[in-house]
Amino acid sequence: AQTVTQSQPEMSVQEAETVTLSCTYDTSESDYYLFWYKQPPSRQMILVIRQEAYKQQNATENRFSVNFQKAAKSFSLKISDSQLGDAAMYFCAYRSGAGSYQLTFGKGTKLSVIP
Amino acid sequence: DVKVTQSSRYLVKRTGEKVFLECVQDMDHENMFWYRQDPGLGLRLIYFSYDVKMKEKGDIPEGYSVSREKKERFSLILESASTNQTSMYLCASSPAGLYNEQFFGPGTRLTVL
Repeated sequence: AQTVTQSQPEMSVQEAETVTLSCTYDTSESDYYLFWYKQPPSRQMILVIRQEAYKQQNATENRFSVNFQKAAKSFSLKISDSQLGDAAMYFCAYRSGAGSYQLTFGKGTKLSVIP
Repeated sequence: DVKVTQSSRYLVKRTGEKVFLECVQDMDHENMFWYRQDPGLGLRLIYFSYDVKMKEKGDIPEGYSVSREKKERFSLILESASTNQTSMYLCASSPAGLYNEQFFGPGTRLTVL
């Protein structure tokens, strides 16, 4: 079974600075999908960014980008120019490319943004 | 905008009660999911459904059942609630396609006394 590990339970960043959240996963598959989800306090979880394993180019969405290292099974999230609204729980998730819709989530990283 | 709604934000039940958690999505999505979220454990999949009347067990199905009689509605049932089922329950939906994101509801915080 796949596992997803987020080794940083909590992190903090100064407003306008850059922060990187780490995620590693364990799989024997070559085809899969990776996601970062954000859950703001008392608000609904939303997708931040996603990556297909067969694509070497790292995904980017505005201030959010990933560093996908397939050989190392690492999928870190970089947030540039951090804003107060970035404060949230961030979850890394894995989905097999073998046909299952099941997402396997990490335990999450709580990000605080310091004004 | 995709909207996933859950019948209650907060729910308090007693041990042994039968509990129904309802989820409705308005985007004609094929897939629907029920997760349980606990501090330090992340999200764990209870059940999911990829079509009406179809369901598959997730990682922690014990003590739960589900029902999907209509495409837009997915119900989670606790046949006999226990205190260890006190948790936040999140519903999600997604269109077919493995790359597609899941859209989440606001969650139901269930307390079993």
